[in-house]
Amino acid sequence: GQNIDQPTEMTATEGAIVQINCTYQTSGFNGLFWYQQHAGEAPTFLSYNVLDGLEEKGRFSSFLSRSKGYSYLLLKELQMKDSASYLCAVREQYSSASKIIFGSGTRLSIRP
Amino acid sequence: KAGVTQTPRYLIKTRGQQVTLSCSPISGHRSVSWYQQTPGQGLQFLFEYFSETQRNKGNFPGRFSGRQFSNSRSEMNVSTLELGDSALYLCASSEAYGANVLTFGAGSRLTVL
Repeated sequence: GQNIDQPTEMTATEGAIVQINCTYQTSGFNGLFWYQQHAGEAPTFLSYNVLDGLEEKGRFSSFLSRSKGYSYLLLKELQMKDSASYLCAVREQYSSASKIIFGSGTRLSIRP
Repeated sequence: KAGVTQTPRYLIKTRGQQVTLSCSPISGHRSVSWYQQTPGQGLQFLFEYFSETQRNKGNFPGRFSGRQFSNSRSEMNVSTLELGDSALYLCASSEAYGANVLTFGAGSRLTVL
């Protein structure tokens, strides 16, 4: 089975940095994803980690520690448009089958 | 290149009815996954299709079913609707089964009265 935990809500200030944590327990880990979802819109892909370490992409970075079952998404130089839900997701692989399982999401509010 | 297209975008049904939702993946994408999104549960995996075959299934009752056609378009069906089936149903396509990036459609919002 699988379990993905992330905070329900976070608030941060425009221009600041925020870190959204995600912990997971899965029987067949094969990659971790972060998606962004603005209210009323479809989720969009942000990042993918399969090996330990930090992946940087512009203002966004994602970190993975497989031994700890832990990831975080780091958002720098926050902008008002970053107000959205951030979804942590894990690919669970077993035998020849796999599926991507999502956490409940972290709703991030940016204040001026 | 057109994105993932889901129809209908909104629909209202009553308990006991059935509903069919459609998903057209990005051209060239052969895998389609379906998710149910509700405020309390987040995105819940329903099933994934690749090459017209269901490759994986989530923990939903048999009232939820799907299929994929030879052109990779997919449909999902929910029979004997219950109030709790009210949700946003999202379809996502990827180039192949097990591909890393899912591209989501805008979803079909189902309300069951």
